[in-house]
Amino acid sequence: EAGVTQFPSHSVIEKGQTVTLRCDPISGHDNLYWYRRVMGKEIKFLLHFVKESKQDESGMPNNRFLAERTGGTYSTLKVQPAELEDSGVYFCASSQFRGGDYTFGSGTRLTVV
Amino acid sequence: QQQVKQSPQSLIVQKGGISIINCAYENTAFDYFPWYQQFPGKGPALLIAIRPDVSEKKEGRFTISFNKSAKQFSLHIMDSQPGDSATYFCAAPWRDQTGANNLFFGTGTRLTVIP
Repeated sequence: EAGVTQFPSHSVIEKGQTVTLRCDPISGHDNLYWYRRVMGKEIKFLLHFVKESKQDESGMPNNRFLAERTGGTYSTLKVQPAELEDSGVYFCASSQFRGGDYTFGSGTRLTVV
Repeated sequence: QQQVKQSPQSLIVQKGGISIINCAYENTAFDYFPWYQQFPGKGPALLIAIRPDVSEKKEGRFTISFNKSAKQFSLHIMDSQPGDSATYFCAAPWRDQTGANNLFFGTGTRLTVIP
């Protein structure tokens, strides 16, 4: 089966610009998660979708971050406007069941300059 | 506040040696402890996991030791190989009755196995 796909793999943008990250989960996985790793720190939870609904968005840093999952398939994470501290690797993961083992994508490395 | 504390930050081991990575947690509600392995340019991948009703789980060269009273668990890689060079993350899941669930990760250990 195809894995979790993230696009782009790298993005370099200037402070104040907008960036949209995309995640295609494994087909049939209702649960989709976004995580972020800032360099040298832990991988931190951002939010959790069940199908198209946001189950938990307690990890979203602030209102400059907007996640959507229209139709319960792929998801996008938009950062607008981007700030320097938003730099990091953004991971998407999916699982068939809540609490099930995750499959992670390869991540999007975002650099804000 | 970090829910899972991991050490060391980096580890260099000779080929054939034993690699040991430690994690500690505070929340006694955690009921599953996975370890993830991440190679450069890839996402974390589940390596091995343990539930707190056992003290040890072994899969090939990888073993998790779990100490419930001390709230600690560790990953042991026996006969370490250069191909084991990667970043390792311990984790613990949090979930509540609303169905929310996510993983708390440690800060990662970069393992380098020298030929």
